[in-house]
Amino acid sequence: AQKVTQAQTEISVVEKEDVTLDCVYETRDTTYYLFWYKQPPSGELVFLIRRNSFDEQNEISGRYSWNFQKSTSSFNFTITASQVVDSAVYFCALSGNYGGATNKLIFGTGTLLAVQP
Amino acid sequence: DAGITQSPRHKVTETGTPVTLRCHQTENHRYMYWYRQDPGHGLRLIHYSYGVKDTDKGEVSDGYSVSRSKTEDFLLTLESATSSQTSVYFCAISETGTSGSPLHFGNGTRLTVT
Repeated sequence: AQKVTQAQTEISVVEKEDVTLDCVYETRDTTYYLFWYKQPPSGELVFLIRRNSFDEQNEISGRYSWNFQKSTSSFNFTITASQVVDSAVYFCALSGNYGGATNKLIFGTGTLLAVQP
Repeated sequence: DAGITQSPRHKVTETGTPVTLRCHQTENHRYMYWYRQDPGHGLRLIHYSYGVKDTDKGEVSDGYSVSRSKTEDFLLTLESATSSQTSVYFCAISETGTSGSPLHFGNGTRLTVT
């Protein structure tokens, strides 16, 4: 069975602190993809990043970085020097293979990040 | 932003009434999805479509039906709404059905069943 666990329900930090959001996944597929989405208070879901199972290189995009480790089945997301605008719910997701259309995402329960000024 | 419009954005309805939510896309993508978002559950797949008139069930399909008569429109119907269907519903599209193609989401419909 495929599953995504985001154990941190809520995190509160003060602006300029670094923060890491954890994501642990389970899958039996050898080929799979992992995603992060951001849901700001306005409610829309914004795609942030996709990573395939064959690429364990860390990725950095500005203040955001992602650490993918197959050995621990984790795909963690770090925000450096957090800002109030980073306040949002962040979802980690795994591509699920049910046959037919394989592009069906399985989401974690999300982590609410509150960045205090 | 992906051209996805959900309507209505908010709806309050009574238990037992049928409700239809609409998702309209202007991207001409083949794949469309309906998810529901609930606290403690994240987003869960209700139904998806891989082409006109081609649909299939997701994880939480009981009590829901869908239809897709045109590429651009994907309708979600609650046949007889129940309070457990109070949720935020998101439509999503993807260009391909291959694992790894990102889903792009609409802005959601907040449904309250009283």
